[in-house]
Amino acid sequence: DSGVTQTPKHLITATGQRVTLRCSPRSGDLSVYWYQQSLDQGLQFLIQYYNGEERAKGNILERFSAQQFPDLHSELNLSSLELGDSALYFCASSVGSSSKYNEQFFGPGTRLTVL
Amino acid sequence: DQQVKQNSPSLSVQEGRISILNCDYTNSMFDYFLWYKKYPAEGPTFLISISSIKDKNEDGRFTVFLNKSAKHLSLHIVPSQPGDSAVYFCAASAREYGNKLVFGAGTILRVKS
Repeated sequence: DSGVTQTPKHLITATGQRVTLRCSPRSGDLSVYWYQQSLDQGLQFLIQYYNGEERAKGNILERFSAQQFPDLHSELNLSSLELGDSALYFCASSVGSSSKYNEQFFGPGTRLTVL
Repeated sequence: DQQVKQNSPSLSVQEGRISILNCDYTNSMFDYFLWYKKYPAEGPTFLISISSIKDKNEDGRFTVFLNKSAKHLSLHIVPSQPGDSAVYFCAASAREYGNKLVFGAGTILRVKS
């Protein structure tokens, strides 16, 4: 158990819909990262938050957005869903943003299926 | 643009022998390298890491070697155990990029008993 929790574990929805994925980081971790794992793209970085502020962006679609709340939990919002958005979405956390030691600890993931 | 490459999709090793997983990278800005292990339906589990100022880091049965001039790292598992069977991901990060992880495609390790 990494200490990172993600809900829900599975999500099935239809094209055009909007969903919210939730992540709680390990106790004491200030950074939260979101990754997408699809069959053809592997693990891809989406976005990072550090202590409530956006710190880095990857190839995140404009239909996707995220935020980190004062209690440090984070939510990833996916809207106007398409079939190609079906993937595993992982959240990871680490102690700091620019720390030399950047071991990221991953949650169990949310499997999103868009029908 | 694959900045981190794991060219072997799979590796099969006998229990008790050494497993060597390889990883190459292209971006010289990377200054921290990590190995993760992943079982199906679970998130990646951190195994071991190495800073670019070192060439070796050891933790129990796991050793990571870094060759900066060749932009190559490898993970050695000795001795290999059946429970080591999983997908192994190499990842790299750079402080200039906010420490996001860039992952390789993974190598499936099968340890036969």
